[in-house]
Amino acid sequence: DGGITQSPKYLFRKEGQNVTLSCEQNLNHDAMYWYRQDPGQGLRLIYYSQIVNDFQKGDIAEGYSVSREKKESFPLTVTSAQKNPTAFYLCASSKEYAQHFGDGTRLSIL
Amino acid sequence: SQQGEEDPQALSIQEGENATMNCSYKTSINNLQWYRQNSGRGLVHLILIRSNEREKHSGRLRVTLDTSKKSSSLLITASRAADTASYFCATDPNDYKLSFGAGTTVTVRA
Repeated sequence: DGGITQSPKYLFRKEGQNVTLSCEQNLNHDAMYWYRQDPGQGLRLIYYSQIVNDFQKGDIAEGYSVSREKKESFPLTVTSAQKNPTAFYLCASSKEYAQHFGDGTRLSIL
Repeated sequence: SQQGEEDPQALSIQEGENATMNCSYKTSINNLQWYRQNSGRGLVHLILIRSNEREKHSGRLRVTLDTSKKSSSLLITASRAADTASYFCATDPNDYKLSFGAGTTVTVRA
């Protein structure tokens, strides 16, 4: 079955550490997205990519970085510059308008 | 910034009753989408309504759109326990980028 796989499901970060969240899709979608969700809030866009080797900043890109070397993969790195990284991170992909989501990675600070 | 805003924030209903939630947005749109999120999971696309449509149905879901009032409603008829989830509206102020509201949390009591 086609879908989006995010790993790991839970991740812990120490102070000053960079961590990378994985997102893989086998839906053959061109566009991919990373969102951050805080309790009781909607989704905020971190980065998005419409095509391989190209990506754009979303509304809250500071402290995050991405790469898009393959169509199937869009990893997100949470750098030490992101001072409040504790959140639920969601990856999505789309062909046209509807977005398909993975089941998220919950990142916490140790 | 969030374009859509759902109302109410939370809704508790008895199984078999209907649930109605509303979404207001600020700028013109091409289409409006509704998504469902079960606790700890990713979002699932429910329905898309285009700006030139006024009403759309999908199973037990009915969506209306009033572009003059910049508002949409989602009606879930004959609710079931499995409908317990958060529901988000999403608008597309820019191509490929969606703007999500904070969501309505629906609890269906047995």
